Amino acid sequence: DAKTTQPPSMDCAEGRAANLPCNHSTISGNEYVYWYRQIHSQGPQYIIHGLKNNETNEMASLIITEDRKSSTLILPHATLRDTAVYYCIVRVGGGSGGSNYKLTFGKGTLLTVNP
Amino acid sequence: EPEVTQTPSHQVTQMGQEVILRCVPISNHLYFYWYRQILGQKVEFLVSFYNNEISEKSEIFDDQFSVERPDGSNFTLKIRSTKLEDSAMYFCASSELLRTSNPFFGPGTRLTVL
Repeated sequence: DAKTTQPPSMDCAEGRAANLPCNHSTISGNEYVYWYRQIHSQGPQYIIHGLKNNETNEMASLIITEDRKSSTLILPHATLRDTAVYYCIVRVGGGSGGSNYKLTFGKGTLLTVNP
Repeated sequence: EPEVTQTPSHQVTQMGQEVILRCVPISNHLYFYWYRQILGQKVEFLVSFYNNEISEKSEIFDDQFSVERPDGSNFTLKIRSTKLEDSAMYFCASSELLRTSNPFFGPGTRLTVL
């Protein structure tokens, strides 16, 4: 099962920042935090990922707490097209061997951006 | 921007028939995956593939399923004898490096088994 906990739904006003929380209290030292989203029934779309430092790209920012037990995805200026299910996923990174590199999706957070 | 493509977008088949779902991963990617999503449910991992062999498979991926990279560009998922419960969206994904890079997903093939 997924190792993360997310609220089932959130609302955000268009043009405002959307802050999506994720708890991953059992994260291991070699596990990364990934965020994907799925718009309607389209293929999951990669957003961002990080290990322990905060990350930013053209889509979003990822804030990871110092103890790495939780993170927040920030969409700085949400638009109607950002309405989607957002998935927070922990995934093994390098050096561990084995075969745990698959992405395990939970139910995610349905973000609804309202006009 | 490079993208994963999948064909067909929608496949309708009769129960018991064989289907082949096709994917063209991003050209310099080395790792390939199939996931599925039954309507209203979570996205589920099926199988990962690297260096012409299966790296990992889930419990869903039983003997009715097989994967193949028949040439340098295609990656296929075959279901030998489809069941009603195989009806789902099937997503192909690919990534450069297994351990650190993010998989990119295709748009999916909707499989309907009648």
